[in-house]
Amino acid sequence: RKEVEQDPGPFNVPEGATVAFNCTYSNSASQSFFWYRQDCRKEPKLLMSVYSSGNEDGRFTAQLNRASQYISLLIRDSKLSDSATYLCVVNLGGSYIPTFGRGTSLIVHP
Amino acid sequence: GAGVSQTPSNKVTEKGKYVELRCDPISGHTALYWYRQSLGQGPEFLIYFQGTGAADDSGLPNDRFFAVRPEGSVSTLKIQRTERGDSAVYLCASSLTGSAETQYFGPGTRLLVL
Repeated sequence: RKEVEQDPGPFNVPEGATVAFNCTYSNSASQSFFWYRQDCRKEPKLLMSVYSSGNEDGRFTAQLNRASQYISLLIRDSKLSDSATYLCVVNLGGSYIPTFGRGTSLIVHP
Repeated sequence: GAGVSQTPSNKVTEKGKYVELRCDPISGHTALYWYRQSLGQGPEFLIYFQGTGAADDSGLPNDRFFAVRPEGSVSTLKIQRTERGDSAVYLCASSLTGSAETQYFGPGTRLLVL
């Protein structure tokens, strides 16, 4: 089993739709969680950290479920510009080495 | 301020040749990471520097890969006797201290081994 697993998609949604991605992690000692966004042929950029209590940034909401060992990303009112690959990142407690998922591809169409 | 830069942006080489990839991190960032990303995959950790020292090189696939950061800023990833399977995008990232925090990525070097 991979340490961090994501459905590669693609998720193909119309503008204005709400879409959610999950990411599961295998190590219960994981402590830090992030979502990065990667545009085609570009470098990853931090989208948001994921806090235990859940957090929201505009149209984006991230949540953590420790019991089931997954994190989620919800995007409301999708825009064409949201089309990208969303990478889930997990750090073990005390570790400086992040583990990336393979990413979930999102395509928002008119 | 300037972000992370990497050179060259593209490198085409022949099997068996030696290549060097350079990363210039954000000024003041003590932590520097090298990753390798293949098509359809997430970045795969290679090596982590804290200052001048390699704090964790467990991701280097074999002894053909080596990296240095002699002055605690610029880093060079060196690949000897390149193989076709080394073809990938090599990403460098830096962060302020290296604990679980935001990493800032460079644009990557696309390496193609023919």
